[in-house]
Amino acid sequence: QSVLTQPPSVSGAPGQRVTISCTGSSSNIGAGYDVHWYQQLPGTAPKLLIYGNSNRPSGVPDRFSGSKSGTSASLAITGLQAEDEADYYCQSYDSSLNSGGVFGGGTKLTVL
Amino acid sequence: EVQLVESGGGLVKPGGSLRLSCAASGFTFFNTWMSWVRQAPGKGLEWVGRIKSYSDGGTSDYAAPVKGRFTISRDDSENTLYLQMNSLKTEDTAVYYCTSYDFWSGFYQDWGQGVLVTVSS
Repeated sequence: QSVLTQPPSVSGAPGQRVTISCTGSSSNIGAGYDVHWYQQLPGTAPKLLIYGNSNRPSGVPDRFSGSKSGTSASLAITGLQAEDEADYYCQSYDSSLNSGGVFGGGTKLTVL
Repeated sequence: EVQLVESGGGLVKPGGSLRLSCAASGFTFFNTWMSWVRQAPGKGLEWVGRIKSYSDGGTSDYAAPVKGRFTISRDDSENTLYLQMNSLKTEDTAVYYCTSYDFWSGFYQDWGQGVLVTVSS
């Protein structure tokens, strides 16, 4: 059971917009800690996609965007492309745990 | 270009030990906090532990499932991060990733390609 809750799967057709939610609590996202997102393409290592709730590292297309409100965060992908098919993970910090960070369980994005 | 290259994985029996290495290049390793994150087969990501830069104290923290069994260390002269794993259990079977850690915002910036550790009799 992950501290951050994500839907196991989402899907969309090419060109569509999809969102992936990440729900936390008052000891993590709701406490004001930043949310970060990672993309893991099949068979590869995770890659930083969004940091600090809504910032994109150099090289990440602006089709990817992040937002945070209250105890939740969201990743939005517009203009869906076949190469976006991957697992997506949110990550934050939890003040009730002595850890370097907590991850969501991951969401599998399928491009139909 | 940032590179993190893990090595040292393999098959080990329960109760055994293994040491992973991570060779870093392309950034100022000595000034960077580093972490290990693992992923069990077909599962999600799990933080294993981290080590601060020596200028920030050089101490390490660990996730509860590995505390007391795993030790993270670093050799700044060799730009190398280590993960010493003792008393291994079958549930430690996973791909282990070496990552750089941005302590200001708390994210894992760069990732290695990962190394598989299989604990089985």
